[in-house]
Amino acid sequence: AQSVSQHNHHVILSEAASLELGCNYSYGGTVNLFWYVQYPGQHLQLLLKYFSGDPLVKGIKGFEAEFIKSKFSFNLRKPSVQWSDTAEYFCAVTVNTGFQKLVFGTGTRLLVSP
Amino acid sequence: KAGVTQTPRYLIKTRGQQVTLSCSPISGHRSVSWYQQTPGQGLQFLFEYFSETQRNKGNFPGRFSGRQFSNSRSEMNVSTLELGDSALYLCASSFQRPSTDTQYFGPGTRLTVL
Repeated sequence: AQSVSQHNHHVILSEAASLELGCNYSYGGTVNLFWYVQYPGQHLQLLLKYFSGDPLVKGIKGFEAEFIKSKFSFNLRKPSVQWSDTAEYFCAVTVNTGFQKLVFGTGTRLLVSP
Repeated sequence: KAGVTQTPRYLIKTRGQQVTLSCSPISGHRSVSWYQQTPGQGLQFLFEYFSETQRNKGNFPGRFSGRQFSNSRSEMNVSTLELGDSALYLCASSFQRPSTDTQYFGPGTRLTVL
């Protein structure tokens, strides 16, 4: 069965620090990869997605992620975080065949201190 | 374009009761998925509907059911509520296929079972 692992459950950073959140998935076939963010009191919203092509994808608010197929990873990065990036971040995977669902990681809570 | 809407936003029920939650997708979206979000389990897939048919189902007991109407609006029902059903229930809509189309999430319905 598909699974998604996010190894960092809680991350605390100071403003301007660099961020990297890990995401690994277990599925050997073709996958689509997503990062969603949930700001306090707000909806889940899409940060970025990878379907094919350039493995380095750029999303909203200065976030980017790199798909490394050999490592089954899709890590999220941001060079310089802001206090407003405080949120919970979810990595998710779908299989590009019949079964139509997102499999989510358990999430990483990021706290950015001013 | 209006986003995904869910009603009600908050519900308090007692054990043994049943509950119905409603989701209106983004106009033009025909796929609706439901997820349960809890602190311990994260986001778990419940089911997905497309053109009034349940296309995929997650690993939840039969007490959890859903349906979709011809206008793509969806409802989910939980019968014989248990304390463990307390959670945030999220609805997401996509154009046709959750595996390839971006899923847009609603604000959720917070269900508390006493």
